[in-house]
Amino acid sequence: DAKTTQPTSMDCAEGRAANLPCNHSTISGNEYVYWYRQIHSQGPQYIIHGLKNNETNEMASLIITEDRKSSTLILPHATLRDTAVYYCIVRVEAFGNEKLTFGTGTRLTIIP
Amino acid sequence: NAGVMQNPRHLVRRRGQEARLRCSPMKGHSHVYWYRQLPEEGLKFMVYLQKENIIDESGMPKERFSAEFPKEGPSILRIQQVVRGDSAAYFCASSPLMNGVPFFGPGTRLTVL
Repeated sequence: DAKTTQPTSMDCAEGRAANLPCNHSTISGNEYVYWYRQIHSQGPQYIIHGLKNNETNEMASLIITEDRKSSTLILPHATLRDTAVYYCIVRVEAFGNEKLTFGTGTRLTIIP
Repeated sequence: NAGVMQNPRHLVRRRGQEARLRCSPMKGHSHVYWYRQLPEEGLKFMVYLQKENIIDESGMPKERFSAEFPKEGPSILRIQQVVRGDSAAYFCASSPLMNGVPFFGPGTRLTVL
């Protein structure tokens, strides 16, 4: 699976949009971009995933650049409960390689 | 819809004992993944199973650790002769089919005294 690079930490003011970047310059054509978050020591929570089109759900939006070498997760109106470690993961969709490989993620702190 | 369930949530064992961690996948999910998170570290993949089959065990320690996912019942991660270094949070995830989105359970926190 392609390697991802994320900032170690970020702050965002409560009520503002939180934009979390991720670089995946070696991504292959059959690799999806997944985002999870882990709040404190809870189990990772699925947020969103996409291949090449931008995606939106009730939690967030995922913007993938046209060359697919980077993406941005957007939390439109951050709240204190969004403080967590956010993981950007690329995952190949092929038999025998379905596991998610977690990196170190971005520690997002929402400031009141 | 019940999510992924793990039990026990907390488990304390003495060195040399056995630990059995259970994971009940979401309804309709036939794929299970186990991950370990050591204190202040990231999540490390251990094993990926389908019903009655181990698909990928590339992250499993070679000794003392085993996993199964029988036709009926939960998936079990078994750690024999536990040592203090096994103290960690163990998470399982399940997905409905190959390449489906994995959803994680709340984890089992194992403490070895």
